[in-house]
Amino acid sequence: DVKVTQSSRYLVKRTGEKVFLECVQDMDHENMFWYRQDPGLGLRLIYFSYDVKMKEKGDIPEGYSVSREKKERFSLILESASTNQTSMYLCASSGIRDGGYTFGSGTRLTVV
Amino acid sequence: AQTVTQSQPEMSVQEAETVTLSCTYDTSENNYYLFWYKQPPSRQMILVIRQEAYKQQNATENRFSVNFQKAAKSFSLKISDSQLGDTAMYFCAFMKLISGYALNFGKGTSLLVTP
Repeated sequence: DVKVTQSSRYLVKRTGEKVFLECVQDMDHENMFWYRQDPGLGLRLIYFSYDVKMKEKGDIPEGYSVSREKKERFSLILESASTNQTSMYLCASSGIRDGGYTFGSGTRLTVV
Repeated sequence: AQTVTQSQPEMSVQEAETVTLSCTYDTSENNYYLFWYKQPPSRQMILVIRQEAYKQQNATENRFSVNFQKAAKSFSLKISDSQLGDTAMYFCAFMKLISGYALNFGKGTSLLVTP
């Protein structure tokens, strides 16, 4: 069964901490994505990557960075966590032009 | 970014009835994909149905079908014979066919199916 795996389902961090959210896919997909989901706002794209070491900003990149050193792994980094980054974070991957995403099960991050 | 609008934050339908969720979008592109995703309480996003803009025929998947009106930029989802397991958040999404193939999502419609 194909999978996108997010390393943590729930995470609590303190303000100012550096936070790493990890995502691994086993489908050899070229494209990987990070979204944040907030009630009433839907899913908003933070960053995406269409190849190893390539990254593109999405709609809300401020306060975040990403790393894609290997094809299967796409990491989201909160350089200095703030309370307004408390949210659900969803990772997804897709192959070129197949149009369908496979999503991870999400990480609910709380920054206190 | 393309704008995707879901005008119904919440909807309710009785089991076995039919319900339609609305979605409109704004784009200057001619070729693109449209999607409906379902997110049940388990949080796992599940692809419901996909429509390629160049296809005039409306997509169907079992009890799920769409009404795609390209000129009107409208993409509604019809769920027939609603089941309790259809209770979920439903997201409409738009994809431009360029490198990265990022999805732009609407804000979602929360659907409750009642006995």
